[in-house]
Amino acid sequence: EAGVTQFPSHSVIEKGQTVTLRCDPISGHDNLYWYRRVMGKEIKFLLHFVKESKQDESGMPNNRFLAERTGGTYSTLKVQPAELEDSGVYFCASSQWGQGWAGANVLTFGAGSRLTVL
Amino acid sequence: GIQVEQSPPDLILQEGANSTLRCNFSDSVNNLQWFHQNPWGQLINLFYIPSGTKQNGRLSATTVATERYSLLYISSSQTTDSGVYFCAVVPGAGSYQLTFGKGTKLSVIP
Repeated sequence: EAGVTQFPSHSVIEKGQTVTLRCDPISGHDNLYWYRRVMGKEIKFLLHFVKESKQDESGMPNNRFLAERTGGTYSTLKVQPAELEDSGVYFCASSQWGQGWAGANVLTFGAGSRLTVL
Repeated sequence: GIQVEQSPPDLILQEGANSTLRCNFSDSVNNLQWFHQNPWGQLINLFYIPSGTKQNGRLSATTVATERYSLLYISSSQTTDSGVYFCAVVPGAGSYQLTFGKGTKLSVIP
C-alpha cells in the first residue's frame, strides 16, 4: 500500500511569489489533514477535509492560504503571496473515516514539503 | 487548549542503552500517538495509544490516561533510532486536531 505522498519535497521561492503544495493520501482514506511546522515552533494543525468538504479550517493562518480537495482525492495547498514567516515544513496526513472508530484516529503522515521563502 | 509537554528535550545515548521519553498532557484525551521524525523529515507513526500498553520490537509505550501521561521506552538503542520523537494528542470526542508536543531530540552515538 502506497503511503501519503507529498510534493515538492522542497520549494524555494521569493517573497510575494505563489507556491502550490500537493498531497496524495492513502487510497480510500476520506480524512485528509494539513499541518505545518515553522522554525522553532511545534507542529500545528491547519485544516481537515472529509472527502472534498472542509471539516475544520480553524488552523489556517490567514487568507493567503487556500486548500482544496476536488473530487475527494488529492489535495493542494496554495500560498499566495508567500511571506517570509511561511517558511517551514508542511505535512499532510490521512486516516480512514469512521465516527468513533479508532482507525479514524490513526493518522499516517507524509514526508512533508519544505518551503523556504527568501 | 490542551497542553502537551515532552521531556527531556534532548537526549544523547550510547548505542545499546535504554531510554524513557515522557509526555504529559493537561486534559483527558481520546487519541494519543507517538511519532518518530527521521533525519529525512518524515513523521513515522510508532504507536496509537490513548490508554494501556503496547510493544513493537524494541519499542514499547504506556499511557496512563487517568494520570495524563504517556511513556515511550526504547531498549537497546541503535543509531537508526536517532531523530525527534513527538507525542501528539486529541482532546475529548468529536475533534480530529492533533496537538503536538515540542518533541524529544534523541541522538544515539556508536
